[in-house]
Amino acid sequence: EPEVTQTPSHQVTQMGQEVILRCVPISNHLYFYWYRQILGQKVEFLVSFYNNEISEKSEIFDDQFSVERPDGSNFTLKIRSTKLEDSAMYFCASTGLAGGPGELFFGEGSRLTVL
Amino acid sequence: DAKTTQPPSMDCAEGRAANLPCNHSTISGNEYVYWYRQIHSQGPQYIIHGLKNNETNEMASLIITEDRKSSTLILPHATLRDTAVYYCIVRLFTGGFKTIFGAGTRLFVKA
Repeated sequence: EPEVTQTPSHQVTQMGQEVILRCVPISNHLYFYWYRQILGQKVEFLVSFYNNEISEKSEIFDDQFSVERPDGSNFTLKIRSTKLEDSAMYFCASTGLAGGPGELFFGEGSRLTVL
Repeated sequence: DAKTTQPPSMDCAEGRAANLPCNHSTISGNEYVYWYRQIHSQGPQYIIHGLKNNETNEMASLIITEDRKSSTLILPHATLRDTAVYYCIVRLFTGGFKTIFGAGTRLFVKA
């Protein structure tokens, strides 16, 4: 069964460093998303991406964040200068047409720890 | 997106049916009901969705009331592996709209 894959599974970084989280969505999907989950809290929407541009972003997704689809398969989330409060699980998700855009397929997540 | 209300936690005995309720009294006519679950800290997993008819798949059944103001997710024979947080979400069935997760219901399946 096709799946969304994310790398790295865990990254530890120093405050102020740049981090890139990578995702390979399911190949024929059209909509791509990043969510995050701070330990013990809700899953929070960050950004959605369609047709090579951001379609919606939350207030969390400030100028420190950016997304890119550099080729036909990867979808990345960059945090330019990490803060302690960026420590969280980051989930990538994608949707296709078959199940409808509400049927998100999530990856297993990348745990980011900022020291 | 309309808001949903779910109980914060529920218990269920292994092998019994787990019935998870959700209220969505402000749902609009073109919004669908979606259910997801999150096992421990894994990525959320899609379970099922529906508009107004009852739906069933290999994982669960979804019962939506006639007025569409509430729904129930049914896991027919709960196992220990079904212990998870279950999210009820309403949203439009069109692209470009974000899916918003609430606090969900933490289901504990006990042996």
